Amino acid sequence: EVQLVESGGGLVQPGGSLRLSCAASGFTFSSYWMSWVRQAPGKGLEWVANIKQDGSEKYYVDSVKGRFTISRDNAKNSLYLQMNSLRAEDTAVYYCARSSGSYYRAFDIWGQGTMVTVSS
Amino acid sequence: SYVLTQPPSVSVAPGKTARITCGGNNIGSKSVHWYQQKPGQAPVLVIYYDSDRPSGIPERFSGSNSGNTATLTISRVEAGDEADYYCQVWDSSSDQYVFGTGTKVTVL
Repeated sequence: EVQLVESGGGLVQPGGSLRLSCAASGFTFSSYWMSWVRQAPGKGLEWVANIKQDGSEKYYVDSVKGRFTISRDNAKNSLYLQMNSLRAEDTAVYYCARSSGSYYRAFDIWGQGTMVTVSS
Repeated sequence: SYVLTQPPSVSVAPGKTARITCGGNNIGSKSVHWYQQKPGQAPVLVIYYDSDRPSGIPERFSGSNSGNTATLTISRVEAGDEADYYCQVWDSSSDQYVFGTGTKVTVL
């Protein structure tokens, strides 16, 4: 079964750091662009970052540039999001998602999400 | 940055047709994807590349894209179609994905 499972969410104080992980299974992880997408409580979807198959290209939404770092370990079939200098507005459910070339880079597989709460 | 605008809500009776618009500057030149999200669940891809359906998505879901507006059409609406719907594009000028503001579809 094709699956993405996020972990690492939790409660963190403003200014703190957190590292999210996404474990992939059921497909050749190294063949796909991967993304992180977040959703603040009661709000819409916001794309956060993506990374090329070999990690050589990374892109970020303006609001997290310089604070968040996306990375991957193809040997471990894992995607990561290192989040530093966290702010209250980073509070959200964070999803990892697969970009499929067959679907013109639409996100065809999503994880169930992990909740990040930034609060003192 | 590129902005995609959707109506906040659309209401439709069962068996009728729902149309959800997604407005953006010259969006017709981009590939538009649509997602369905039900409460407490992750989004699901329902339309990609403007009008194509992934396997498993009913033919009742269709899409179009031209000029400054993309449209998701749900025909013969069922109670199970009640959800939030989001459009999405890749903005090559900023190297960022952009999601629309989202539309809540209510089945009356």
